[in-house]
Amino acid sequence: DGGITQSPKYLFRKEGQNVTLSCEQNLNHDAMYWYRQDPGQGLRLIYYSQIVNDFQKGDIAEGYSVSREKKESFPLTVTSAQKNPTAFYLCASSGGAGHGELFFGEGSRLTVL
Amino acid sequence: GIQVEQSPPDLILQEGANSTLRCNFSDSVNNLQWFHQNPWGQLINLFYIPSGTKQNGRLSATTVATERYSLLYISSSQTTDSGVYFCAVTGAQKLVFGQGTRLTINP
Repeated sequence: DGGITQSPKYLFRKEGQNVTLSCEQNLNHDAMYWYRQDPGQGLRLIYYSQIVNDFQKGDIAEGYSVSREKKESFPLTVTSAQKNPTAFYLCASSGGAGHGELFFGEGSRLTVL
Repeated sequence: GIQVEQSPPDLILQEGANSTLRCNFSDSVNNLQWFHQNPWGQLINLFYIPSGTKQNGRLSATTVATERYSLLYISSSQTTDSGVYFCAVTGAQKLVFGQGTRLTINP
């Protein structure tokens, strides 16, 4: 089945540790995105990539890093510089660089202990 | 940047009722989508509707791009319709989300 796979679904981390969230898609989409959601809030854009080996900062990129070495994969690293990393992280993809319809993975819930 | 406002922020209804959710946006947009976030957090695509009207079962949506708003209609609500409904629009190459409408359908 075509879709977007995020892993892990739940992750616990100690303060000061970096953690990498995986996002893989088999929809042959060019564009991929990472969003953060805090409880009771909407989604905020962290990073997006419209093509392999290129990515742009979103609204809240500080403390995060990404790579786009393959079309199918867009991993997100939450670094120790992120002041408040506990959140729900959602990966998405779309077929067009100009934002065709967006499809989401099931999300990764990160808790910093 | 583009602003997206959804109303009402919360809506509580009895099963069987109809509801209308509104999304206002501050600038012309290329795309507009409606999503339903289920209790497990997953975002389900409802409509991709930059303009016009679409229907899918008990749900329908209308976007009037020239007046910068979109409406999501839910008829004969069921408890499984509960959750948060998000509107998202494309401004300058990125999708911007509203804060959502939390819908609670009581049996």
